[in-house]
Amino acid sequence: GNSVTQMEGPVTLSEEAFLTINCTYTATGYPSLFWYVQYPGEGLQLLLKATKADDKGSNKGFEATYRKETTSFHLEKGSVQVSDSAVYFCALSVWGSARQLTFGSGTQLTVLP
Amino acid sequence: DTAVSQTPKYLVTQMGNDKSIKCEQNLGHDTMYWYKQDSKKFLKIMFSYNNKELIINETVPNRFSPKSPDKAHLNLHINSLELGDSAVYFCASSLPIAGGQNTGELFFGEGSRLTVL
Repeated sequence: GNSVTQMEGPVTLSEEAFLTINCTYTATGYPSLFWYVQYPGEGLQLLLKATKADDKGSNKGFEATYRKETTSFHLEKGSVQVSDSAVYFCALSVWGSARQLTFGSGTQLTVLP
Repeated sequence: DTAVSQTPKYLVTQMGNDKSIKCEQNLGHDTMYWYKQDSKKFLKIMFSYNNKELIINETVPNRFSPKSPDKAHLNLHINSLELGDSAVYFCASSLPIAGGQNTGELFFGEGSRLTVL
């Protein structure tokens, strides 16, 4: 089956620190990979995505590269801000008769001023 | 314009009651979903409808019954509520599954927080 393993949180960083949140996956077939972000009290929003191996998704200073050889999609940001405090979810989706997202467990990020 | 909207946003009720959560999307999507998020933020899919047809029905108690009157609406009715049903329920929608348009991206509502006392 399909599964996503995400770095456990919570993660607390100081402003301008470097961020890495690890994500590895197991999938039957060729998945698309996603990072979603959930700000306090809100629903999930797509942060970035990659649909094939070696693709790099990027948005708002965040990046993640689809690594098929290591089945990974780690999220990085060079300099975090207080406003980046949120829960981050790694997810995958595989073509099939019923396309659905499989989510990781989420990583709570808190950025301190 | 809200793309995916859910009502109510908060719902507090007693055990044994029956309640409904409504969801509407104005994105023109054919596929809609219900996800449950527990207190540890873990997200689990419950149901998915494609153009009013049920296509995903995960291991969910029969007390949960989705209804899709048209492709823009997907409601969730819960009978005989239990303490363990307390969670945040998210509605989502996506592009059609067929035709290669769907890359898997979902658009989420803001969630409905259900508290069962």
